[in-house]
Amino acid sequence: AQSVTQLDSHVSVSEGTPVLLRCNYSSSYSPSLFWYVQHPNKGLQLLLKYTSAATLVKGINGFEAEFKKSETSFHLTKPSAHMSDAAEYFCVVSFYTGTASKLTFGTGTRLQVTL
Amino acid sequence: NAGVTQTPKFQVLKTGQSMTLQCAQDMNHEYMSWYRQDPGMGLRLIHYSVGAGITDQGEVPNGYNVSRSTTEDFPLRLLSAAPSQTSVYFCASRTPSENTEAFFGQGTRLTVV
Repeated sequence: AQSVTQLDSHVSVSEGTPVLLRCNYSSSYSPSLFWYVQHPNKGLQLLLKYTSAATLVKGINGFEAEFKKSETSFHLTKPSAHMSDAAEYFCVVSFYTGTASKLTFGTGTRLQVTL
Repeated sequence: NAGVTQTPKFQVLKTGQSMTLQCAQDMNHEYMSWYRQDPGMGLRLIHYSVGAGITDQGEVPNGYNVSRSTTEDFPLRLLSAAPSQTSVYFCASRTPSENTEAFFGQGTRLTVV
């Protein structure tokens, strides 16, 4: 079965410091993985995706993530946090059931950015 | 570019009432899905459709009904609302490929009293 675990429900950083949001996945084969961001009272926006090409994936707004098969991880990073990065972040795995492709969401990490 | 459009944005229902949440997409995507978002639980799949006339249950389907008569529209029906259905509902669409991302609507915040 495919699953995804976000290791922190809440992360707080100071503006200008690095961001690390952790995600581990479980999959019986090489998965497609995504990171989405949700700003307060908004829908979900794609940050980046991994689809078995380069293991280091660059996304929007300076975010990037590295796929590590040996560690079954897909952690999201950003070198320098900005106040506008405060939001909830979801790690998502895509898998094929035999009849359809489905997405499984992590429980989310709320990022707080302080001055 | 409209993308995925959900209506209404907010709704308050009384227990036992029924209603339909509307979802439309203009990207000609075959796949459409409904999710509910509850605090600390991420998004959970309610129902999904792989094309017009084809629907299937997700992980939390009880109390909800769907149909897909056209590629563009995928309404979600609450048959008899219960307080446990208080949640934020998201509609999403994507192409069938496992590698493609989903596009989400802005959500419907539903409160059942």
